[in-house]
Amino acid sequence: DIQLTQSPSFLSASVGDRVTIACRASQGISSYLAWYQQKPGKAPNFLIYAASTLQSGVPSRFSGSGSGTEFTLTISSLQPEDFATYYCQQVDSYPVTFGQGTRLEIK
Amino acid sequence: EVQLVESGGGWVQPGGSLRLSCAASGFTFNNYWMSWVRQGPGRGLEWVAHIKEDGSEKHYVDSVKGRITVSRDNAKNSVFLQMNSLRAEDTAVYYCVRINSRVSDKWGQGTLVTVSS
Repeated sequence: DIQLTQSPSFLSASVGDRVTIACRASQGISSYLAWYQQKPGKAPNFLIYAASTLQSGVPSRFSGSGSGTEFTLTISSLQPEDFATYYCQQVDSYPVTFGQGTRLEIK
Repeated sequence: EVQLVESGGGWVQPGGSLRLSCAASGFTFNNYWMSWVRQGPGRGLEWVAHIKEDGSEKHYVDSVKGRITVSRDNAKNSVFLQMNSLRAEDTAVYYCVRINSRVSDKWGQGTLVTVSS
């Protein structure tokens, strides 16, 4: 199985900050990586696919990059509504797996 | 508007069974793979199963193989999760998910399954 390790697991930041979340795969997955945002008590919201392609309607302050085993999600200028938990997901092979999540909180 | 509405969750004793349902609307259901993803209390997301558009191909996470079965009824725009021999570790919110080009682009609101004596 492909393991995904996110770092950091917890991140404290302020409105307006630029933040980066990393996701490392245990083996190469080309660009078969997606990112999701989840707020407490809500279903996840799909943000990015193919490592770097923004889903329609997602603000341009979100961006993704990487291929192979190293990936990042960047939020260029944090907004109050961005404080949430973020998950990466590999869809290269079964079983589909998620990272453990990165909780982004307001400093 | 795409909608996925889960039902069938509840409390069940260890070893018991439950059948989850997901009613889909707002898109051509039989053009999409569908999936179930779960989230245990205070835990991260765990993929459970995928089913192909016509139901001819299914995939499961190892921890549920032999106990949980995914199926669909394209005439009723519905996908199901039959869960047998339930364990405490199956306690979770179960999400119905639409798969689009491999990724989980639409999610239901989730249904809670509690396995406890």
